[in-house]
Amino acid sequence: DTGVSQNPRHKITKRGQNVTFRCDPISEHNRLYWYRQTLGQGPEFLTYFQNEAQLEKSRLLSDRFSAERPKGSFSTLEIQRTEQGDSAMYLCASSLTGKLFFGSGTQLSVL
Amino acid sequence: DAKTTQPPSMDCAEGRAANLPCNHSTISGNEYVYWYRQIHSQGPQYIIHGLKNNETNEMASLIITEDRKSSTLILPHATLRDTAVYYCIVSNIIQGAQKLVFGQGTRLTINP
Repeated sequence: DTGVSQNPRHKITKRGQNVTFRCDPISEHNRLYWYRQTLGQGPEFLTYFQNEAQLEKSRLLSDRFSAERPKGSFSTLEIQRTEQGDSAMYLCASSLTGKLFFGSGTQLSVL
Repeated sequence: DAKTTQPPSMDCAEGRAANLPCNHSTISGNEYVYWYRQIHSQGPQYIIHGLKNNETNEMASLIITEDRKSSTLILPHATLRDTAVYYCIVSNIIQGAQKLVFGQGTRLTINP
């Protein structure tokens, strides 16, 4: 257990539905990252927060994706109007000194 | 961030040392070499990092060549639980880079 908690662990949804994932980082960590991983590939960067400020968002990320980190604590990642291509593992990581601690991820299946 | 090149897969016998190579010929002077591993169905796990000196911790050793263009991660006595995908990443995240960029890594299989 790294101390980074992600919920839910698994999510099955129908195409067109909205989904929201939650990440609770290690409490003193000011940086929070979201990554996406598909089978056989390494994790792909989605977005990054320093405290409550979203400092970077991947150019590959569709406008259907939005992330928030209110008050610099937990974070949520929402996907609107899901598509089958959104099926993946969504990973959250937090960091204080540059060493990233990852959660176990949320596995999304879009039917 | 500089790119890295790793073999797609490697095998090692249980109890032997596993040596995982990584090429990073375009590494910049302020970029560190990081190693993470990912065991099936889990998030990546930090192993070790270094700038130019060799480093050792309870998990592994990191050997960086003098020109810093390549490195080797050494697991001294591999066990079956070390079977995982190992990622070599170069980044100056400590000094302000925003993220780590993962490649496809090396799938290491430890055989009994």
